[in-house]
Amino acid sequence: DAGITQSPRHKVTETGTPVTLRCHQTENHRYMYWYRQDPGHGLRLIHYSYGVKDTDKGEVSDGYSVSRSKTEDFLLTLESATSSQTSVYFCAISDPDRGYAGANVLTFGAGSRLTVL
Amino acid sequence: AQRVTQPEKLLSVFKGAPVELKCNYSYSGSPELFWYVQYSRQRLQLLLRHISRESIKGFTADLNKGETSFHLKKPFAQEEDSAMYYCALDSSYKLIFGSGTRLLVRP
Repeated sequence: DAGITQSPRHKVTETGTPVTLRCHQTENHRYMYWYRQDPGHGLRLIHYSYGVKDTDKGEVSDGYSVSRSKTEDFLLTLESATSSQTSVYFCAISDPDRGYAGANVLTFGAGSRLTVL
Repeated sequence: AQRVTQPEKLLSVFKGAPVELKCNYSYSGSPELFWYVQYSRQRLQLLLRHISRESIKGFTADLNKGETSFHLKKPFAQEEDSAMYYCALDSSYKLIFGSGTRLLVRP
């Protein structure tokens, strides 16, 4: 599990402030993902990356931006946090080229709990 | 549109009872499906994937394309099976998750 770390693990902030969550991996995996976990909604994809500087939107990307300047780091930024963005955020990594029969198996981080007051 | 549906938010069973966690999907191509599990205070982790047709911790899941289902089953539930279970569908290397089912196995 040490192959993927998220920081900070907990954060409390106020509405309107910018927030950046960091995901760091040591596995050299090509794909990185940001999900949010909410009761009743399960995990929903925010953004993902398929290589350095290659990113794309997921299901719930509004209000979020991402950057990937290095293979190992994937940053999620909330430009102006809102209370609806209170959630647990999970980073995940994968490398389908290495997977069993090409299956895209995700490895998850421990999560970052964000509270927006 | 691709979608994963888990109709039960909570499934409560007694130890030793059979368990079936339901998962239905909507996908136009040939689906790749997974079950992920999150135990208390642990990371979300892969439980099993249909492509390898394996049994993990006594759990199995069979893909039924006719019913578009991928239900997770275990003949005899154990207390340590209590966890949150997510069904997931791979859509062009993006996993779409269901809303999850919490399994509670009572002694």
